[in-house]
Amino acid sequence: DADVTQTPRNRITKTGKRIMLECSQTKGHDRMYWYRQDPGLGLRLIYYSFDVKDINKGEISDGYSVSRQAQAKFSLSLESAIPNQTALYFCATSDGPGLAGETDTQYFGPGTRLTVL
Amino acid sequence: GESVGLHLPTLSVQEGDNSIINCAYSNSASDYFIWYKQESGKGPQFIIDIRSNMDKRQGQRVTVLLNKTVKHLSLQIAATQPGDSAVYFCAESLQGGKLIFGQGTELSVKP
Repeated sequence: DADVTQTPRNRITKTGKRIMLECSQTKGHDRMYWYRQDPGLGLRLIYYSFDVKDINKGEISDGYSVSRQAQAKFSLSLESAIPNQTALYFCATSDGPGLAGETDTQYFGPGTRLTVL
Repeated sequence: GESVGLHLPTLSVQEGDNSIINCAYSNSASDYFIWYKQESGKGPQFIIDIRSNMDKRQGQRVTVLLNKTVKHLSLQIAATQPGDSAVYFCAESLQGGKLIFGQGTELSVKP
């Protein structure tokens, strides 16, 4: 979805390096999420944020940190990258449940392929 | 615990046939369920969702069926086309806005 952008799209780094992945959205959504995808597996939630002052750990937050710089920006950091953090990383956004009962559908960015050597 | 799983990891169909992708879930309290399509090199793309108080919902060439008795969800794609080839994920929404994803089914459409 072009409304959700991720940078970089590909990154190769070495063990022990600090890495930041960035996500920006123009959808005007309050909620943002970071997921990790490994081959043959579904997406697993790392961190999520329901507004700029709200940060929550997901299923697999160890080794990661996040920053919600603005409504439109949510970055994911690997403080000291390790090889088992090699994966596809996806950012997603959602608008929250609607007053009319709409579901809180998440919309995903194109992903960042991270390789840690 | 909470989990969403798929019955089949791969599905191969002939172009023009109907496809059915299945999903089992375990959390009876899920608010709604979503199907996503992921093409190679791209992020998951929303296809259709269904609230837990519904049994069926139709979209363009797609239908989602929800059987709460056996905790089963299916995605039916009518007249499958080569462009439908992708990995399909089901996801269930837990209270609090978190999604739990299944492992995915790879759909391959033969011309």
